[in-house]
Amino acid sequence: DTGVSQDPRHKITKRGQNVTFRCDPISEHNRLYWYRQTLGQGPEFLTYFQNEAQLEKSRLLSDRFSAERPKGSFSTLEIQRTEQGDSAMYLCASSLGTPGTDTQYFGPGTRLTVL
Amino acid sequence: AQKVTQAQTEISVVEKEDVTLDCVYETRDTTYYLFWYKQPPSGELVFLIRRNSFDEQNEISGRYSWNFQKSTSSFNFTITASQVVDSAVYFCAPKTPYAGKSTFGDGTTLTVKP
Repeated sequence: DTGVSQDPRHKITKRGQNVTFRCDPISEHNRLYWYRQTLGQGPEFLTYFQNEAQLEKSRLLSDRFSAERPKGSFSTLEIQRTEQGDSAMYLCASSLGTPGTDTQYFGPGTRLTVL
Repeated sequence: AQKVTQAQTEISVVEKEDVTLDCVYETRDTTYYLFWYKQPPSGELVFLIRRNSFDEQNEISGRYSWNFQKSTSSFNFTITASQVVDSAVYFCAPKTPYAGKSTFGDGTTLTVKP
């Protein structure tokens, strides 16, 4: 399977704990995106990378959130000191990076529940 | 500021009916790209179709087609002969040429009854 993969698929944690999610993009894709989706809403942009460079971060990405893509391949999203409001589906997407018409392909998501 | 509106929250049709989903993208940009995604109950977002704002002709891809009215920035996405498997949440997600991210609407939940 050459699609976007995410791990874990589900994570339950207690408030105040740190969590880390991993995303593996489609192999030839240069761009990698993180979105967050809550029930009944569309995905909200968090951040994206062009290769290993983090090019944009949303204001939604507080200082408790950090994302990395150290070698331009897989990416990790870490949430420190989780809060109940962090409960959501975290989606990863990747794309070729073609200017303008770039199509993003999404992974299955990681569902986070903060108790 | 850019704004994406999917005014239809929920639509219910009977199998084999045609169904049209609406999306309005308010922007000052004259060039942009609009993507449609489907999110079935399993949760994974699936890319369906892409439209460029400068395309003059409406497009058809299998059972999917859409109509773009540039004057109102309105995109109508039509599924012909709907099937039960089409039941999902449909999102439009426009993107400007210089932006990496897409901005998603709140989605339209489509239920196709047998």
